[in-house]
Amino acid sequence: DTGVSQDPRHKITKRGQNVTFRCDPISEHNRLYWYRQTLGQGPEFLTYFQNEAQLEKSRLLSDRFSAERPKGSFSTLEIQRTEQGDSAMYLCASTLLGEQYFGPGTRLTVT
Amino acid sequence: GIQVEQSPPDLILQEGANSTLRCNFSDSVNNLQWFHQNPWGQLINLFYIPSGTKQNGRLSATTVATERYSLLYISSSQTTDSGVYFCALRGGTSYGKLTFGQGTILTVHP
Repeated sequence: DTGVSQDPRHKITKRGQNVTFRCDPISEHNRLYWYRQTLGQGPEFLTYFQNEAQLEKSRLLSDRFSAERPKGSFSTLEIQRTEQGDSAMYLCASTLLGEQYFGPGTRLTVT
Repeated sequence: GIQVEQSPPDLILQEGANSTLRCNFSDSVNNLQWFHQNPWGQLINLFYIPSGTKQNGRLSATTVATERYSLLYISSSQTTDSGVYFCALRGGTSYGKLTFGQGTILTVHP
């Protein structure tokens, strides 16, 4: 069963460092989403790709955040100059027709 | 944007009990999903149910879109049902992003 995969699963970094996360969606899914979840909250939408085009970005996505999906397959999410407030679970989801399937997430801790 | 409210926020049960979780929303929806988040953070799909009723084993769900609510029923609860249950939905004008509720934390004691 090739579900959505994310790498790394855990990342500890120091404030000010850059980090990059990868998401591999289910192979035939053309839509890919990034969400962020902080403790005690539900996930919040960050950005959306249809194939390689980034079609929507949340206001949560500050200019320190950038996401790409260069060939319409895997996607990367980069955070520059990390801050302690960036500590969260970063979740990726994919879909073909409607139902979204989530990866296991990358848990980021900024010290 | 669309608002999602889940109730109750916390629920404690004895093994074998039944429960009902509720999700109210503020606008028409094209997609509604129920998830169970396990202790490791993985969101597990339970139901994709923009309208109607579905059943899967001990779990069932009903969405009444015209009245803007959805219900998740858990019967004969087991300790492995413990975790956080999220309702998430997509409003009519979005590209498909899901808006999540705050979740219901379910604890099932043996």
